[in-house]
Order: sequence, then C-alpha cells, then structure tokens
Amino acid sequence: KQEVTQIPAALSVPEGENLVLNCSFTDSAIYNLQWFRQDPGKGLTSLLLIQSSQREQTSGRLNASLDKSSGRSTLYIAASQPGDSATYLCAVKEGYSGAGSYQLTFGKGTKLSVIP
Amino acid sequence: GAGVSQTPSNKVTEKGKYVELRCDPISGHTALYWYRQSLGQGPEFLIYFQGTGAADDSGLPNDRFFAVRPEGSVSTLKIQRTERGDSAVYLCASSLGPAATIYFGEGSWLTVV
Repeated sequence: KQEVTQIPAALSVPEGENLVLNCSFTDSAIYNLQWFRQDPGKGLTSLLLIQSSQREQTSGRLNASLDKSSGRSTLYIAASQPGDSATYLCAVKEGYSGAGSYQLTFGKGTKLSVIP
Repeated sequence: GAGVSQTPSNKVTEKGKYVELRCDPISGHTALYWYRQSLGQGPEFLIYFQGTGAADDSGLPNDRFFAVRPEGSVSTLKIQRTERGDSAVYLCASSLGPAATIYFGEGSWLTVV
C-alpha cells in the first residue's frame, strides 16, 4: 500500500528566505504527483502537477522536482512571503491497475509559517 | 460554475441521523472524487466516478456510506445512521480526466453530536 510522508510537519521561516519542503513515497510506480496548498478552513488549491515522465515543474516562485526511482519530491519556494503561510500537501496518483486506481494518496502536510 | 461547489458548507447532525452532501463539479469534468479529511491529516480517498458510474469505491469505510452521480454531473454523498467518528471535512474534487489536474471544492464540514 502506498504511503506518503512529508517532512518537516511544521516550518517557520523569516520573510524573504528560500525554503524546501520534502515528500517521499514508498511505491515508485506512480502516474503523477501533485502539490497542493490548503489555507485554514478551506479546500485544496493545486500548485503543480508533475507527470511520472517529468523531472520538474515551475510556476512563478515555485519549483517542484520529482525523482521517481528514489521515491522523492521537493517543493522549492523562492523569496518566501507572509502570504505563503499555509499547509502544503503532497499527493501521488498510482498507475492504473485495472481496478480504477486513480485515487490520490496524500501526505499529512507541512504547515508553513512565514514571519514578516 | 467557475469552481467545484459543495453544499452545505457546514452541517451539524445528531448521532443516528441521515445526511446528504452535495457536489457540483466544474462544467465538463467527467471525473469526480470524494475525499474525507480529519483534523491534522491529509485527505483520504472515498470514491471515484467516471461519468455516471462509480469506477472505484474502495475507500468507502462501510455500507453506511453511499454516493451517486445519476446524470454524470452533480454527485451526492449519503451517510446513514451517522456516528461521531464520521465528523470530518468531506471534500469533493473534479478533473477533465483521471490523469489531469484535480480541482477541489471548499468542503462540507460535518459534525456529528
């Protein structure tokens, strides 16, 4: 059974710092990996989607990398801002097995606080 | 609509009652998912629809939970004989297809007292 782990569970940084969030997964046979942001009391907002054949994706100050063979992904946030404060969730979608396995398996998230 | 819409946003019900949660996906999205999120945890998969049919319901915890999508658009998650352990945020999501980016709604916060 796929397991997704995110380290650290919480992170506090001063404004302007660059930071890295880590995600690891136990089964490397994934279809894609997606990073989400969740604000308190809100739903999830998709940040970046990396297909299994890709190594990285970039959007603005965000860069996500994927190393499928080692079961790892990182989310890099450049020049952090207080508005980046939220919980960041990593989720993997496993390859279609014939049983309709298009479900996402999520980590517990990293709670980021950016201090002004 | 512009995004995934879920109603009600909050629901408080008594133990043993029946509850329905509604999801209106993004127009044109054929794939629809239900997830459940408890405090401090990541969302857990419940059920996936492709069109009108439930392609994967392996995440439904027991037979008190049931979901339908009769016309391939709006979906309803139904919970019978609610228990306090059912208290959680129920998230609906949709996508153009199973391989595409998934978009989540704001969730329905269910509290069973």
